[in-house]
Amino acid sequence: QLQLQESGPGLVKPSETLSLTCTVSGGSISTTIYYWGWIRQSPGKGLEWIGSIHYSGRTYYNPSLKSPVTISIDASKNQFSLKVNSVTAADTAMYYCARQDYDNVWGTFHFDSWGQGTLVTVSS
Amino acid sequence: DIVMTQSPDSLTVSLGERATINCKSSQSVLYNSNNKNYLAWYQQKAGQPPKLLIYWASTRESGVPDRFSGSGSGTDFTLTISSLQAEDVAVYYCQQYLFNHNTFGQGTRLEIK
Repeated sequence: QLQLQESGPGLVKPSETLSLTCTVSGGSISTTIYYWGWIRQSPGKGLEWIGSIHYSGRTYYNPSLKSPVTISIDASKNQFSLKVNSVTAADTAMYYCARQDYDNVWGTFHFDSWGQGTLVTVSS
Repeated sequence: DIVMTQSPDSLTVSLGERATINCKSSQSVLYNSNNKNYLAWYQQKAGQPPKLLIYWASTRESGVPDRFSGSGSGTDFTLTISSLQAEDVAVYYCQQYLFNHNTFGQGTRLEIK
């Protein structure tokens, strides 16, 4: 049974960097048929895709995001990570990591397995 | 960006009745090369992460009850719950995943009358 678990600080100061890690268990992150993504949900709001990464290191990001983001992967630890730079109050959200189905011809698809999420608040 | 617009924003339905949620995309999510609609539906219950219900617009995820069905093509899609159960109270989201970018609808809150 695949499990994803987000971890990281629950409170980040404005202008600092938000860093989160997703640990995958019950399956390998080093697989060609999945991407690994980050999605966030502001309090009381809808879902916003942040970006996704393949174990090869290839990434796709949401071009509409205001804050610069970086997603990286560490296959040796079966983890992938998110960094959001220069955060503001608008980055306060529940952050989810998820597995995204993928085909090397037809692209990335739906998110079929999600972590429970971690709440990050941006405040001084 | 492809904008996804759901309707209605909220919906109240009696137990055992049909619930219908609509999702419209600002441009077609039908990929002509493989004739697939790049559209999924999720259910999010209070305090939980989203759960995949439907992908490719009409393919039910394993383990999802058959009262849930998806239909539509191009820009207009529908999620139907044929006979509402108490455990279906949730917010439902559509997602498009065309060309390696993803956008979600704003969500539809489903409640019991």
